[in-house]
Amino acid sequence: GIQVEQSPPDLILQEGANSTLRCNFSDSVNNLQWFHQNPWGQLINLFYIPSGTKQNGRLSATTVATERYSLLYISSSQTTDSGVYFCAVELQGGSEKLVFGKGTKLTVNP
Amino acid sequence: EAGVTQSPTHLIKTRGQQATLRCSPISGHTSVYWYQQALGLGLQFLLWYDEGEERNRGNFPPRFSGRQFPNYSSELNVNALELEDSALYLCASSLARMMQYFGPGTRLTVT
Repeated sequence: GIQVEQSPPDLILQEGANSTLRCNFSDSVNNLQWFHQNPWGQLINLFYIPSGTKQNGRLSATTVATERYSLLYISSSQTTDSGVYFCAVELQGGSEKLVFGKGTKLTVNP
Repeated sequence: EAGVTQSPTHLIKTRGQQATLRCSPISGHTSVYWYQQALGLGLQFLLWYDEGEERNRGNFPPRFSGRQFPNYSSELNVNALELEDSALYLCASSLARMMQYFGPGTRLTVT
């Protein structure tokens, strides 16, 4: 099956720093989503980005489908950005299920 | 617009019992998905329902089952509970196979 690899697994930053999270996937995809999981477990949608670049405030994401990777940029990080960031993909062929990476655990210190 | 809702928030059962988890999708969404997040195993796809039918199933035993009702809400049933079924169960909904929106989850503990 499709492999989804996220890096780095852990990231510790000082407030105000910028960071880049990476997601590599092994096959062509219909859909790619980035999520932030809050301390209570809820997955918060960040981006639906099967290709191209999108921005939302301090966050932006780029997916290069032909090279099978996606990047999530966090600028001027805040302590509230702490948590686990997941990349999830849906394989081409209409299987509909999202396959998740193992996540990047981000800790932003004040 | 109300998001995806799940109930109960927490559920404690003993081994061998049955658990029933419920999910209400965003209004207008016809697809409901169930995922399991167990410690050390990551987020894994369980089931997909669309228009009342089971459309896809993950690599889980048959004691994991569910259904989707005419109002598109869904139930996940887990029979003959085992200790390793302890996990956060997340429900998501989508419209026309687009972005999936997740609910807050039900944390199931099996003792």
